[in-house]
Amino acid sequence: ETGVTQSPTHLIKTRGQQVTLRCSSQSGHNTVSWYQQALGQGPQFIFQYYREEENGRGNFPPRFSGLQFPNYSSELNVNALELDDSALYLCASSQSLLAGGRTGELFFGEGSRLTVL
Amino acid sequence: DAKTTQPTSMDCAEGRAANLPCNHSTISGNEYVYWYRQIHSQGPQYIIHGLKNNETNEMASLIITEDRKSSTLILPHATLRDTAVYYCIVRAYSGAGSYQLTFGKGTKLSVIP
Repeated sequence: ETGVTQSPTHLIKTRGQQVTLRCSSQSGHNTVSWYQQALGQGPQFIFQYYREEENGRGNFPPRFSGLQFPNYSSELNVNALELDDSALYLCASSQSLLAGGRTGELFFGEGSRLTVL
Repeated sequence: DAKTTQPTSMDCAEGRAANLPCNHSTISGNEYVYWYRQIHSQGPQYIIHGLKNNETNEMASLIITEDRKSSTLILPHATLRDTAVYYCIVRAYSGAGSYQLTFGKGTKLSVIP
């Protein structure tokens, strides 16, 4: 059973640029969510995808967008990067309760660390 | 989701039980208590969750008070590898299957040799 994998692990961008982060969910999981973790803080929910549609969003502006593909992998896109976007971006997968998932447990990847200069 | 309060940091001697408290006085009847931990430079890891009964698994035990306003995560024999930030989260299942978790700052547990 493969776990959640994210790429790239580290990247550096400059203000105003755009970035795409990728996530492969754990085998058998159909729900993917993304979190942003600033240094010294707990992870903050960005949004979640189920059946290729966004079905939950946290307090993040529209320049944060995402996609989920038929194989349940996902992308997080951030446009017009700002210095405050520097953070660890975490992807988590789970099996939806609607599809028979039981515990609601999230399985997190190791994250992509983004630095905006 | 209800808010939780945890101590900022705790120390525990290696081999002893680590007891991590969490207050959630505004918890609703349909909200579960979840515990996750995050070892430095890794993604959060699920530990355990419960509704009102005490729960135990291979990693830890979860004790929830009868009024459900507080809980304690117990690591029975702490090892150096248990040094991490521990997050207590309360949330309800969403009918749409949403798994939004609201993380606070958690408790930094340091296991001392």
